[in-house]
Amino acid sequence: GESVGLHLPTLSVQEGDNSIINCAYSNSASDYFIWYKQESGKGPQFIIDIRSNMDKRQGQRVTVLLNKTVKHLSLQIAATQPGDSAVYFCAERTGGGNKLTFGTGTQLKVEL
Amino acid sequence: GAVVSQHPSWVICKSGTSVKIECRSLDFQATTMFWYRQFPKQSLMLMATSNEGSKATYEQGVEKDKFLINHASLTLSTLTVTSAHPEDSSFYICSASPQPNNEKLFFGSGTQLSVL
Repeated sequence: GESVGLHLPTLSVQEGDNSIINCAYSNSASDYFIWYKQESGKGPQFIIDIRSNMDKRQGQRVTVLLNKTVKHLSLQIAATQPGDSAVYFCAERTGGGNKLTFGTGTQLKVEL
Repeated sequence: GAVVSQHPSWVICKSGTSVKIECRSLDFQATTMFWYRQFPKQSLMLMATSNEGSKATYEQGVEKDKFLINHASLTLSTLTVTSAHPEDSSFYICSASPQPNNEKLFFGSGTQLSVL
């Protein structure tokens, strides 16, 4: 759905720990999902995607899980590093259309 | 990987002037590009879909006469903020995809617009 709000949720983790960032999406008809990483003052960077006919997909140090029953998406980052500090957005595409709707975003802070 | 270049990175202008932002796909062709707007600590809000060779499609609430979009070629879309006012100050970002159905959208680096 539309993203509103003035305050980003924040997740603080210790370097080396695993991070789990969650996202609730709005439309049960969404067929494609993407996670993006955005550093301050930069455009979003593609991390990983997943189609609605899958429930898990792994990349390099990242895993995306999709639970269509509860319309929930998560991004797991293994062995979190300082360079992972950024805002993470999930995005959904609905009905095969070409537009993405972005979630609120989560600020990930990695503590040394 | 696919590269989307956006220019300028930042611009400061006086109220009432117009500002043009360029979005280029450097290593692929894109019949469709997307323009987003982002306020501090908020998410990306889609403003419009830029279609090569035809009119842009604007999202509800976005003034098409205020935000002029031109997609003259398969590698270039421009967004012109006309008669800019301080409330137009924002981070503007474009995106495009080399894949069918616009999957794996790649984003430009964004343009920070400050209107004095």
